[in-house]
Amino acid sequence: EIVLTQSPGTLSLSPGERATLSCRASQSVSSSYLAWYQQKPGQAPRLLIYGESSRATGIPDRFSGSGSGTDFTLTISRLEPEDFAVYYCQQYGNSLFTFGPGTKVDI
Amino acid sequence: QVHLVQSGAEVKKPGASVKVSCKTSGYTFTHYYIHWVRQAPGQGLEWMGWINSNSGGTNYAQNFQGRVTMTRDTSISTAYMDLSRLTSDDTAVYYCATYTSSWYFWEFWGQGTLVTVSS
Repeated sequence: EIVLTQSPGTLSLSPGERATLSCRASQSVSSSYLAWYQQKPGQAPRLLIYGESSRATGIPDRFSGSGSGTDFTLTISRLEPEDFAVYYCQQYGNSLFTFGPGTKVDI
Repeated sequence: QVHLVQSGAEVKKPGASVKVSCKTSGYTFTHYYIHWVRQAPGQGLEWMGWINSNSGGTNYAQNFQGRVTMTRDTSISTAYMDLSRLTSDDTAVYYCATYTSSWYFWEFWGQGTLVTVSS
């Protein structure tokens, strides 16, 4: 099973600042099978980025993804108030889907 | 538009089973798999498995094999997740999810069903 590790666990920032979230895999992951989700309290996850760097429908361009192999990054260029949430990376490999433990972005 | 509507919250005793439904609309049900994901209170997301909505074929995560059964009723575009031999560790919100773009990433999610296991 491919294990995903996310850092930091919590990121404390202010609106307007840049957020950089890391996702590291225990073995190489195809970037085609790597995604990022946002989750707010009491809500279902929302797909943000898939295939490493493609934005899902309706996702603003301040969200971007990058990386390859075992290291992937989600960047939020300028935080808006609605961006404060928990972010999960997800991968598919060896017939399994796994999620990282999440990074909480708070004020 | 695509909608996934799940059944309501459940309270179960240890050792019991629970069946969660996921009624879909807005797309052709048999064209896309349904995935199930759960989230324990204050914890992260855990993939449970998928069901091929067309054939009924399934693939379950190892953690749930022997305890989970995923089924579907194509006549009412609804998927089901049945989890047996419940323990307190199964207390969680259970989500169904699907996609129209790629099987690997899920744009559409149900609202979640809270299952509480308590004696």
